[in-house]
Amino acid sequence: QSVLTQPASVSGSPGQSITISCTGTSSDVGDYNFVSWYQQHPGNAPKLMIYDVSKRPSGVSNRFSGSKSGNTASLTISGLQAEDEADYYCSSYTTSTTVFGGGTKLTVL
Amino acid sequence: EVQLLESGGGLVQPGGSLRLSCAASGFTFSIYAMTWVRQAPGKGLEWVSVISGSGDTTYNADSVKGRFTISRDNSENTLYLQMNSLRAEDTALYYCAKDTLPGRFWSGVDYWGQGTLVTVSS
Repeated sequence: QSVLTQPASVSGSPGQSITISCTGTSSDVGDYNFVSWYQQHPGNAPKLMIYDVSKRPSGVSNRFSGSKSGNTASLTISGLQAEDEADYYCSSYTTSTTVFGGGTKLTVL
Repeated sequence: EVQLLESGGGLVQPGGSLRLSCAASGFTFSIYAMTWVRQAPGKGLEWVSVISGSGDTTYNADSVKGRFTISRDNSENTLYLQMNSLRAEDTALYYCAKDTLPGRFWSGVDYWGQGTLVTVSS
């Protein structure tokens, strides 16, 4: 069982916006601004999409944004595209370690 | 171009040992922390270990404490993971990854290798 809780699946149509939640506790997500989000296509290594809650690495589309409220972090993807279909993982710092969420499968309808 | 190339995976019996290596290029290796992340077949990501750029600070997941040791050789731009007392639940694809910001931990990892598969089975 993962420390951070994500929905198992979300879906949306092309052009729509979706949000993936990542719920932790006051010992991880709630206490630190060290939340990251990763995208993983089947058979590929993960790709960093968001770090430090809301920062985008260079090269990542501005359709991807991150936020946090209390113990829950969120990844929002706007203007959904077919290539966004993938697994998404959140992670957070907590007491000298990093924990991941269980992952969310995004389906673009 | 940043490149990370893992090696050293394979089939090992329970209780055995393996040493993974990760050859890095395309960036100033010594100023970035480096991380190992693993993924069991069909499962999610699990953070394993991180080491500072200088190599003097390391952190490990509870699941591998006392069994796995992360280290680095900055003269060879290589990261290592020594894995002892291996268990079936250590079976996974092991990724080497570069931390995002120089001189800092915990801000995610922005480059990943393709992984090396470790299978622990009798």
